[in-house]
This record gives sequence, C-alpha cells and structure tokens, in this order.
Amino acid sequence: IAGITQAPTSQILAAGRRMTLRCTQDMRHNAMYWYRQDLGLGLRLIHYSNTAGTTGKGEVPDGYSVSRANTDDFPLTLASAVPSQTSVYFCASKGQSTDTQYFGPGTRLTVL
Amino acid sequence: QQQVKQSPQSLIVQKGGISIINCAYENTAFDYFPWYQQFPGKGPALLIAIRPDVSEKKEGRFTISFNKSAKQFSLHIMDSQPGDSATYFCAASKDLGNEKLTFGTGTRLTIIP
Repeated sequence: IAGITQAPTSQILAAGRRMTLRCTQDMRHNAMYWYRQDLGLGLRLIHYSNTAGTTGKGEVPDGYSVSRANTDDFPLTLASAVPSQTSVYFCASKGQSTDTQYFGPGTRLTVL
Repeated sequence: QQQVKQSPQSLIVQKGGISIINCAYENTAFDYFPWYQQFPGKGPALLIAIRPDVSEKKEGRFTISFNKSAKQFSLHIMDSQPGDSATYFCAASKDLGNEKLTFGTGTRLTIIP
C-alpha cells in the first residue's frame, strides 16, 4: 500500500506557466486536501474535497483550482504561476471512519 | 487572522528533559485538536490528538494537556530523545466529520545530547 503519492517531487517553473500538481491515494478515503507550507506560516489549506465530485475553498484558494473526478485523484492546478506561489505543497486524505488526515511526501515548487 | 497561535518558534532541550510546546486558539467552535510531527523532507504525520471532553491525553512519552476555559492546549514530550528532533504543528478543527484543519505556525524542536 503506497498511501498518498505526489508528483512531481520538485519543480522549477517560469512565472506565467501553467502547472498541475498530482495527488493520488489508494486508501479509498472520501476526503482530500491541498495545503501549502511556508516558513513561519505553517500549513494553510488551499482547497479541499469531502467526496468525489465536490470541492471547496480553503484559506488561500486564489490562483489555484482543483477537481475531483474520482475517489483516488485530486490534482491541483496553477493556471498562471506567480513567484508568491513558491512553496512546498502537501496533499492529504481522510477516511470517514477516522479523524486522522494522512499527508503525502510533498512537492517543492519554485516559481521564477 | 491567525486562529491558532503556537509558541515557541524553536526549542532546544537536553536529552532526557521535558519538551513543552504551547498553542492557543480563538474559535470556541473548535472541537478537535491534533498535533502533527514533521521530519525534514517528509509530510506531517499525526502524533496525538484530543477532543475537549477530556483535559489530558497520554500516549507513551507524549501528553496533550487541554484547558478549555483558557482556550489553550500544549504538547509535553517526556524523556526527550534525539529522534524527537522535528518540527511540531498544533492544529484545530470544527464540525465533526468535516475536519478542515487550521494549523499553528510550527515549533522546530532540537534535542541535544
């Protein structure tokens, strides 16, 4: 069982480019989340999905979009990347029978 | 608007000592308070969590103390070991079953021999 996988591991991106961060879980969890982690700011929720077909905005959604076409995948898209989106991005998931959110290994994104 | 305030930002503790990290929250609707541990280059992992119906929860060397009236909770690590060196995040959420976590800013803990 892999748990949560994220791709790519790291990426350097030119400002203005489009980028999709991938997240896949094999635990059949209903809820999935995207966070960004910045030094001194902790983890902040970008978008979430309580179940396949539904999504919601978190604390810092501007400049990001998500989709949840099925249970396992929850991609995060930056339509036109800006340097302030330089961060480490974590995907997480949670099943209905647990309070615990399980985190992926993260994607380090640098926007130049 | 930071709903969960965490302190200290960094902490150095001698091996065998007690590490204490504190968090304070503002939203009285929060009803779930987890602590996450993160090692460099890894994602956060749940360490221990508490709900407000109890004032303390202990799992091995890790204890959460919860003060509902003061809106504060803390993590105590007894007999701290070098392997405990990591970044610790407190968090809080409301709406049981729909946990969107609000995280503190993190504490970098270093255990020295």
